[in-house]
Amino acid sequence: AQSVTQLGSHVSVSEGALVLLRCNYSSSVPPYLFWYVQYPNQGLQLLLKYTSAATLVKGINGFEAEFKKSETSFHLTKPSAHMSDAAEYFCAVDTGFQKLVFGTGTRLLVSP
Amino acid sequence: GAVVSQHPSWVICKSGTSVKIECRSLDFQATTMFWYRQFPKQSLMLMATSNEGSKATYEQGVEKDKFLINHASLTLSTLTVTSAHPEDSSFYICSARPKSGRAPYQETQYFGPGTRLLVL
Repeated sequence: AQSVTQLGSHVSVSEGALVLLRCNYSSSVPPYLFWYVQYPNQGLQLLLKYTSAATLVKGINGFEAEFKKSETSFHLTKPSAHMSDAAEYFCAVDTGFQKLVFGTGTRLLVSP
Repeated sequence: GAVVSQHPSWVICKSGTSVKIECRSLDFQATTMFWYRQFPKQSLMLMATSNEGSKATYEQGVEKDKFLINHASLTLSTLTVTSAHPEDSSFYICSARPKSGRAPYQETQYFGPGTRLLVL
């Protein structure tokens, strides 16, 4: 079965610092991977997705993620954190026909 | 574009009553809609997949008689929680995949803002 594991339920960074949110996947077939962001009491917004094209995927709001097959990872990064980036971030894998399995989420805290 | 709405945004009901939640794709047609459930500080769990004009497909462990899903049109899916109990209290989120000629993985899934259900 396909799954994703997000390391770290909380990540704290200072404004302007590098953001790194970790996601490792488990899949017996080439995976389709996604990062979503959820603001309080809201639904999910797609940040970016990997669908076996370029391994470095650029998304919205300055985020990007790199697919590394050798490490089974799809970590999310942003060079410089903004206060508005504070939210919950979910990594997800498509198990087929867009049935998504989500990780447990990582809450990003950004301090001034 | 690609907006999904949910109604109501929150609902409080008494134990034993039924609650209907609507999920609408406002500016696109959705052949497939998904219903998720999210407990506080936890991840989303897929409950069921809803295809327009056909019966929903439920995930293992989800009671189909308790969570009734109707996908009556290409822009509307409803989730009815029947005989709700306090343990059904949760955040319910729907998503919709646009009707297109592309492969499913190439199509973005759009999420609604969620409905918070509290059963007293």
